Amino acid sequence: KQEVTQIPAALSVPEGENLVLNCSFTDSAIYNLQWFRQDPGKGLTSLLLIQSSQREQTSGRLNASLDKSSGRSTLYIAASQPGDSATYLCARGTSYGKLTFGQGTILTVHP
Amino acid sequence: GAVVSQHPSRVICKSGTSVKIECRSLDFQATTMFWYRQFPKQSLMLMATSNEGSKATYEQGVEKDKFLINHASLTLSTLTVTSAHPEDSSFYICSARRRLSSYEQYFGPGTRLTVT
Repeated sequence: KQEVTQIPAALSVPEGENLVLNCSFTDSAIYNLQWFRQDPGKGLTSLLLIQSSQREQTSGRLNASLDKSSGRSTLYIAASQPGDSATYLCARGTSYGKLTFGQGTILTVHP
Repeated sequence: GAVVSQHPSRVICKSGTSVKIECRSLDFQATTMFWYRQFPKQSLMLMATSNEGSKATYEQGVEKDKFLINHASLTLSTLTVTSAHPEDSSFYICSARRRLSSYEQYFGPGTRLTVT
């Protein structure tokens, strides 16, 4: 069974801090790994997608890495802001688009 | 950008009735749409994969006769929860995969279903 695990389950940091969210997955034969943001009661916003042939992707203050050999991905958020507060989900994807999600990390950035 | 809409955003229905949820790709064609369910404080769980013009593929443990999926066009998929019960109350989210893309999916805003 393909599983995705995220730690920590929740994280609270003061504004301005750099932080790292972790995602681990079983089965190194991964097709891609995606990070999403979900605000309360809302759908998902795609943040970054890393193909299996890539090691990292960057978008603004976000950087996501992928280490297939260890079955891990990290999402790095630089200079966190209160507006970054949300639930962050990672998901491993197959070639036909099926996504398996982790449980998410609830991030709170307080002023 | 690619936009996916869902309708309705919220619905309350009585136990035993059926509810239809629509998922539309507004500015692109989607050969594949996915339906997810999210219970409170839990992650998304894939229910089924919907391919245009063919039968949906359901995940293990999802009753296909209870959750009817139709993908009649390249821009519309519907999920009908038949004979709904309180335990079906959940947040239902769809995603759509671009026709010409091999991996990008775009998510709808979700539908909150409450069965009383």
